[in-house]
Amino acid sequence: DQQVKQNSPSLSVQEGRISILNCDYTNSMFDYFLWYKKYPAEGPTFLISISSIKDKNEDGRFTVFLNKSAKHLSLHIVPSQPGDSAVYFCAASRPLIQGAQKLVFGQGTRLTINP
Amino acid sequence: NAGVTQTPKFQVLKTGQSMTLQCAQDMNHNSMYWYRQDPGMGLRLIYYSASEGTTDKGEVPNGYNVSRLNKREFSLRLESAAPSQTSVYFCASTTGGWSYEQYFGPGTRLTVT
Repeated sequence: DQQVKQNSPSLSVQEGRISILNCDYTNSMFDYFLWYKKYPAEGPTFLISISSIKDKNEDGRFTVFLNKSAKHLSLHIVPSQPGDSAVYFCAASRPLIQGAQKLVFGQGTRLTINP
Repeated sequence: NAGVTQTPKFQVLKTGQSMTLQCAQDMNHNSMYWYRQDPGMGLRLIYYSASEGTTDKGEVPNGYNVSRLNKREFSLRLESAAPSQTSVYFCASTTGGWSYEQYFGPGTRLTVT
């Protein structure tokens, strides 16, 4: 049961243009959503997040949009830069015991920025 | 400040062998996690420790055990490795409470033949 899905395994975008990565989820109990970026042979690094009570969060070139009725979120990167080439994971969070959080990850989207 | 460290980086085991993956964090975080990542799939939670002295199963715990040795260290043990446990293993930590951001280590690539 894939509760978080990223339906595009890969995306190729020209440098300077906008990159849009999409993510769908099925569980209404998720209360927080995060995007992670991963380079080869490294662990995921946190990029940006959004609470389920908001519909937009912006941090520099990165903006995350949440559409709760559609159970859909997207990450916009503008302008795209060559250093943005990586695998991007969408993750949804729900609380566990004693303050721990369970992250459920999508399969990832490999973003390639072409010069 | 090294963040989250994992050892070893790579390991090859034969079926039936045992090993322990080590994880340590120096951020004074309360909660620690073990994930595995398989090709074409997202990371999946194996076990977690909400605080020192507690551990609980995640979504794929079979074949694994964990120990929260102290607040800094959280180890993952494979008692009898199987080829299905070939994967990349990531350890993560977070302060807990209202902090949702988990910090990840660099991973251990494990191959079981």
